Amino acid sequence: GAVVSQHPSRVICKSGTSVKIECRSLDFQATTMFWYRQFPKQSLMLMATSNEGSKATYEQGVEKDKFLINHASLTLSTLTVTSAHPEDSSFYICSASDGLAGGLVNEQFFGPGTRLTVL
Amino acid sequence: AQSVAQPEDQVNVAEGNPLTVKCTYSVSGNPYLFWYVQYPNRGLQFLLKYITGDNLVKGSYGFEAEFNKSQTSFHLKKPSALVSDSALYFCAVRDSFDRGSTLGRLYFGRGTQLTVWP
Repeated sequence: GAVVSQHPSRVICKSGTSVKIECRSLDFQATTMFWYRQFPKQSLMLMATSNEGSKATYEQGVEKDKFLINHASLTLSTLTVTSAHPEDSSFYICSASDGLAGGLVNEQFFGPGTRLTVL
Repeated sequence: AQSVAQPEDQVNVAEGNPLTVKCTYSVSGNPYLFWYVQYPNRGLQFLLKYITGDNLVKGSYGFEAEFNKSQTSFHLKKPSALVSDSALYFCAVRDSFDRGSTLGRLYFGRGTQLTVWP
């Protein structure tokens, strides 16, 4: 099946610094990538949807200036958490689909997640 | 509005017994239904999906799910549980009526923790 990687798998940073998380589709071209946030023992919260070459669409309540998303190529999307604070600590998961805007029948392939801890 | 309900936070079953993880959904158009499994500190792994056709869908690791349109349900089942099946299971749905920026969006249930004891 299709493989999606994330890097880093775990990051610890000081409050006020910025952290970049990479999401790569390894064996397919990802027209659309999704970024989720997951709190312990809770479901995935969609943060934003990004299509290659265009601006990301953010969900209501997600600060676009704080969570910068770039989808510059068909195999790479990045999420940058700017001026991170302890409340940003969470498990961030990306997913990718090879259909336009995710399509309806294509399954999303998920990365392994990135555990962010802000001290 | 689109939503997915997984009414049980936790399901416990003995190894070798059948298991069921429940899921009901609400969409405006036709549903496209998915089950994913998550192991600790990992991303989600795709198990199976229902798009159209036979209501009984077979997926990975011996799992299957039955689409019931009248009950708006898509319960996940396995005839004989294994200890290694212990994980967090998510049901998700896409809505055929979604367009534009929401096209292809998955709506997730809150997850059901399955524990299979030896």
